[in-house]
Amino acid sequence: AQKITQTQPGMFVQEKEAVTLDCTYDTSDPSYGLFWYKQPSSGEMIFLIYQGSYDQQNATEGRYSLNFQKARKSANLVISASQLGDSAMYFCAMREYYGNNRLAFGKGNQVVVIP
Amino acid sequence: DAGITQSPRHKVTETGTPVTLRCHQTENHRYMYWYRQDPGHGLRLIHYSYGVKDTDKGEVSDGYSVSRSKTEDFLLTLESATSSQTSVYFCAISEPTGVKYEQYFGPGTRLTVT
Repeated sequence: AQKITQTQPGMFVQEKEAVTLDCTYDTSDPSYGLFWYKQPSSGEMIFLIYQGSYDQQNATEGRYSLNFQKARKSANLVISASQLGDSAMYFCAMREYYGNNRLAFGKGNQVVVIP
Repeated sequence: DAGITQSPRHKVTETGTPVTLRCHQTENHRYMYWYRQDPGHGLRLIHYSYGVKDTDKGEVSDGYSVSRSKTEDFLLTLESATSSQTSVYFCAISEPTGVKYEQYFGPGTRLTVT
């Protein structure tokens, strides 16, 4: 069964606007971590933000924030004030406590920022 | 930036030939991983290592083997390459300290099997 689901089609967002990328996950492990990675057209994978299952507050890192809704098993990434350099693929991933530190990735969301 | 290099960065090979990809880290991280990335599939784990000579299979391990004789090097071998193994291969590292255990990725190797 797929552990991470990212189903949005490619998104176009106006520069300076906010964009939300959806991610839902499936686990029975009470302890887990959720990650977002960015992959620009140059190909490298860049770690953006982390949310632990026991964290009381939503994670934030600069313009990135994570809208964590544990009961709904969703971990949406919010990018505020989009910039042209935000154009990329974005991947959601999950690490389960009993998974020996392995990550399960979703299929990604494509974002294109237009001026 | 995490010190992770992959070699080669690009390779074209013929069906049936053996291929070895190398991942080298300078961070002394305990965990190392090999993923493949294909359109429509995201990243899928091939094999991973949790210490020298300690390795285990991921979700798409058929046709691949790995070795880790030193902390800094993790080798991925395709014993007899097939066209279905044409892909971009990423190495990643992580260290189980703190809470996040985030993985840091190498630049990738683009492999084409003709």
